[in-house]
Amino acid sequence: DAGVTQSPTHLIKTRGQQVTLRCSPKSGHDTVSWYQQALGQGPQFIFQYYEEEERQRGNFPDRFSGHQFPNYSSELNVNALLLGDSALYLCASSPLDSNYGYTFGSGTRLTVV
Amino acid sequence: GQSLEQPSEVTAVEGAIVQINCTYQTSGFYGLSWYQQHDGGAPTFLSYNALDGLEETGRFSSFLSRSDSYGYLLLQELQMKDSASYFCASPDTGRRALTFGSGTRLQVQP
Repeated sequence: DAGVTQSPTHLIKTRGQQVTLRCSPKSGHDTVSWYQQALGQGPQFIFQYYEEEERQRGNFPDRFSGHQFPNYSSELNVNALLLGDSALYLCASSPLDSNYGYTFGSGTRLTVV
Repeated sequence: GQSLEQPSEVTAVEGAIVQINCTYQTSGFYGLSWYQQHDGGAPTFLSYNALDGLEETGRFSSFLSRSDSYGYLLLQELQMKDSASYFCASPDTGRRALTFGSGTRLQVQP
């Protein structure tokens, strides 16, 4: 049973560019959340998707947007990249309204130069 | 809002027992989870406490005291592979977002 799959694993972008990260959730999970993890810090919640709708958003600017597809997979888009966007971006899937037991992917390491 | 505090680093020797503490401040409380993350890897769910008391899963145990807004993760019979970062986390009021502590880096020495 495949867990959460993210692509690409590593990415280098230039300031001002746009990036799209992809996530396939664990089989049986219908809810996808995205987190940003800076080096040496805990993950920070970006947003959560369910039934192709954004259910909740964390404290991130509108440059961060997302999408969920009918097969539950998801994309995270970041526009106008800043150096401070360099981080590990984690996707987590779960059953709806689960309090625990989120399954995380290994993440995409984004470096903005 | 929510905040969770944990020590930044803990060092222990192989075979020993180590406790990683977490204190939290939340506007609503829906339980405390623990995750393990090796360098470059995915956070992996370890345990969850919704009610006061001890939950045991093999070498790992987790404890919660809601009256003290405090929990801990206990790792027994430490192995070198336990060297990793450990995060406590709690769902927000809407149970849609997890708030994480800043993580405790555990170094297991031979």
